[in-house]
Amino acid sequence: AQSVTQPDIHITVSEGASLELRCNYSYGATPYLFWYVQSPGQGLQLLLKYFSGDTLVQGIKGFEAEFKRSQSSFNLRKPSVHWSDAAEYFCAVGMNTDKLIFGTGTRLQVFP
Amino acid sequence: AAGVIQSPRHLIKEKRETATLKCYPIPRHDTVYWYQQGPGQDPQFLISFYEKMQSDKGSIPDRFSAQQFSDYHSELNMSSLELGDSALYFCASSLEGGGAKNIQYFGAGTRLSVL
Repeated sequence: AQSVTQPDIHITVSEGASLELRCNYSYGATPYLFWYVQSPGQGLQLLLKYFSGDTLVQGIKGFEAEFKRSQSSFNLRKPSVHWSDAAEYFCAVGMNTDKLIFGTGTRLQVFP
Repeated sequence: AAGVIQSPRHLIKEKRETATLKCYPIPRHDTVYWYQQGPGQDPQFLISFYEKMQSDKGSIPDRFSAQQFSDYHSELNMSSLELGDSALYFCASSLEGGGAKNIQYFGAGTRLSVL
């Protein structure tokens, strides 16, 4: 069965530090890959997506992600975290159906 | 830019009652999706509609039903509510049918509490 794994449940970083959130997927083919962010009490906002082509994709708010087929990974990165980045981050996989399969999320806490 | 609108934002119901959640997609979007996010859980796909027809179905209980109307808004009807139905319910919309390559834009969600 298809699955998405986010190994880190909770990450704490200092403001200005770099960030990497991990995501691994299990699927027979290359799926469509997404990162969403959820602030407290808010909906899910799309940060970036990967469909094909360049394996390094740029998103909003200074985020980027790199697709590595050999590792079945799609890790999210940001060179310098801001306090406003504190939120829950979800990696999601889409296949040839309507549904997105989400990982369990990583909660990011940012210290000043 | 207009986003996905969900109403109500919060809903409190008693066990065995019914609830109706509404979703208004982004203008010109023809596909809507419903997800359920339990406390501390990831969102789980329930059901989707394209051009007013059910497109895909996930782990939606038989007590739940949904439909998409001619103006493309959608309603999720939940009957015989159980405590375990307490969750955040998201609606998302996309343009030109379903399939994973159509980016889903999410609403802010309806938080349902069953007492």
